[in-house]
Amino acid sequence: LAKTTQPISMDSYEGQEVNITCSHNNIATNDYITWYQQFPSQGPRFIIQGYKTKVTNEVASLFIPADRKSSTLSLPRVSLSDTAVYYCLVAGGGDSNYQLIWGAGTKLIIKP
Amino acid sequence: SQTIHQWPATLVQPVGSPLSLECTVEGTSNPNLYWYRQAAGRGLQLLFYSVGIGQISSEVPQNLSASRPQDRQFILSSKKLLLSDSGFYLCAWKFGSGYEQYFGPGTRLTVT
Repeated sequence: LAKTTQPISMDSYEGQEVNITCSHNNIATNDYITWYQQFPSQGPRFIIQGYKTKVTNEVASLFIPADRKSSTLSLPRVSLSDTAVYYCLVAGGGDSNYQLIWGAGTKLIIKP
Repeated sequence: SQTIHQWPATLVQPVGSPLSLECTVEGTSNPNLYWYRQAAGRGLQLLFYSVGIGQISSEVPQNLSASRPQDRQFILSSKKLLLSDSGFYLCAWKFGSGYEQYFGPGTRLTVT
C-alpha cells in the first residue's frame, strides 16, 4: 500500500515559482497521482493529475520521474491567493477495490 | 454543470446523540461518492465510498455508517456520537474511471 509523504510547510514570495514534492515509494502500477488545493473551511479543489513524465495545465505543472516514486507540483509565479494547504493523493485499484492514499498536506504561505 | 450540496453547514451535538449528514449531487449520473473527515489542522481521512445505490465500502471501523438510498444521495449517520467524532466532514464525487474528485462545502461538526 502506497504511503505519501509531503513537507509540513513551505514559505515563498509573490512572483516566485514554488515546487512541492510528494514521496510515494510504494506506488502501484495502476496508481495515478493527483494534487489538490484547500483553503480554510472549504473542500479541496482539484489542481492537476498525472501518471508519468510531465503534465501542465493553466495553473500548475506536475513532474513525475520515470520510477514514479515521487512527484513535484510546480506553481509558477505564485501570488498571495495561493496561500493554502496542498495535498498529494495517490489513487488506484479500480472501483471494486478503491484505494485513496492522501498525504498529510503541505501548508504553503506566500509572503508579499 | 455538476454541483454538490451538503447540509447542514455547521452542527453542534451532545455526546451520545444521533447524527445524520446529507450529501446530494446534481448534474451527473451514477457517480462514485465519498465521505471524508478532517480533524482540525489535519489531512483527509476517507470514511466511506460508494460506487452505486446500496453499495457502501468502509475504510475505517468506527461508530459511523453510510447509506446511498438514491443514485445521487449519500448519507452519513451515527446512532451515538463520541467526542472524537468532531471534525470537518466532506462529501465528494467523481465520475467514471478518472481520479479527479469534486468536493462539497463541508459540514463542521462539534460534539460537546
